[in-house]
Amino acid sequence: GALVYQYPRRTICKSGTSMRMECQAVGFQATSVAWYRQSPQKTFELIALSTVNSAIKYEQNFTQEKFPISHPNLSFSSMTVLNAYLEDRGLYLCGATGQANTEVFFGKGTRLTVV
Amino acid sequence: GQQVQQSPTSLVLQEGENAELQCNFSTSLNSMQWFYQRPGGSLISVFYNPSGTKQSGRLTSTTVIKERRSSLHISSSQITDSGTYLCAPGGRGSALGRLHFGAGTQLIVIP
Repeated sequence: GALVYQYPRRTICKSGTSMRMECQAVGFQATSVAWYRQSPQKTFELIALSTVNSAIKYEQNFTQEKFPISHPNLSFSSMTVLNAYLEDRGLYLCGATGQANTEVFFGKGTRLTVV
Repeated sequence: GQQVQQSPTSLVLQEGENAELQCNFSTSLNSMQWFYQRPGGSLISVFYNPSGTKQSGRLTSTTVIKERRSSLHISSSQITDSGTYLCAPGGRGSALGRLHFGAGTQLIVIP
């Protein structure tokens, strides 16, 4: 079946430092990968959407300079949170879509705590 | 932009009762997913239902895209059904993989 793995599951970093999280689609060929953040208040924000053969598109309030994403192939994506601060806390979710339809498969997320 | 409204915001049921969760969205899109999330937990896809009615066990989802609404029915609720249910209409083409999440319905099932 279609699975999405994310690691690490949780991480703690000091304010001002950076951390990298990874996402891997297994069992299907991902045609698009989206990174979301769920804030401590439980709201979801789309950070960026990466579609095969297209450039990575960042949403308003999120930039490549702050959240650089590497998407070397259809199965693997990584995102770094640079200079993390308290407002960057939350659960970072990676969702991938295959060719068959528009169903999105999510990983279990990376929970970022900034101290 | 896309607005997604879920109702009710929260719901408390006694075990065995049924629940009806509603989702309305402002712009007609091409897909609909329902997710379940435990407190602090990951998203579990409950239904991918772009149109029509689908059933899985005690859960039934009905989506009418042209009316911009979807519902999730839980019959004979169990304590383990407690958690947050999120609806997320999605896009196609250049917006493939982009979901617009509602604020969720928090379901609490008590003995």
